[in-house]
Amino acid sequence: ELKVEQNPLFLSMQEGKNYTIYCNYSTTSDRLYWYRQDPGKSLESLFVLLSNGAVKQEGRLMASLDTKARLSTLHITAAVHDLSATYFCAVDMGYGNNRLAFGKGNQVVVIP
Amino acid sequence: GAGVSQTPSNKVTEKGKYVELRCDPISGHTALYWYRQSLGQGPEFLIYFQGTGAADDSGLPNDRFFAVRPEGSVSTLKIQRTERGDSAVYLCASHAGGSSEAFFGQGTRLTVV
Repeated sequence: ELKVEQNPLFLSMQEGKNYTIYCNYSTTSDRLYWYRQDPGKSLESLFVLLSNGAVKQEGRLMASLDTKARLSTLHITAAVHDLSATYFCAVDMGYGNNRLAFGKGNQVVVIP
Repeated sequence: GAGVSQTPSNKVTEKGKYVELRCDPISGHTALYWYRQSLGQGPEFLIYFQGTGAADDSGLPNDRFFAVRPEGSVSTLKIQRTERGDSAVYLCASHAGGSSEAFFGQGTRLTVV
């Protein structure tokens, strides 16, 4: 069974500093997704990573994928308050139907 | 519509009652998923539809849960004899296929009292 682990589960960030959050998964997968969730809201798609070495950037967020290490990282550059949210990593379970296994999320709070 | 729409947004029901949760996917998306998100957890897969058929229902926790999608668009998740442990946010997602991402609705927060 595919397991997805995210760490740290909670991270307090100072505005202006850089941070990295991690997503490990237990079995081979060819697709990994990052989603953002604000309190009481649904999931907003951030990135889709499809191949080993894939790197995608949007604003202050950059995601990368290492399929050999079964690891994805989400790097935050110069954190700002608006980035406070919970970030979920989701991995395609490989059943050919885009069924996803989610981690527990990285809850990020950015403080001044 | 522009996105995945779920109704109701909140539902409070008494233990033992029957509930129906509705999902209206993005127009043209043939794949539809139901996930359940408990407090402090990531979403967990329940069921997947490709068109009208439930292609993968292995995530349904027990036979009190059932879902339909009779015309290949709107789906209804049905829960019989609700229990307090069913309390969660039920998320619906639709997918255009291929390597695109799934788009999630706002969810239905179900509270069983």
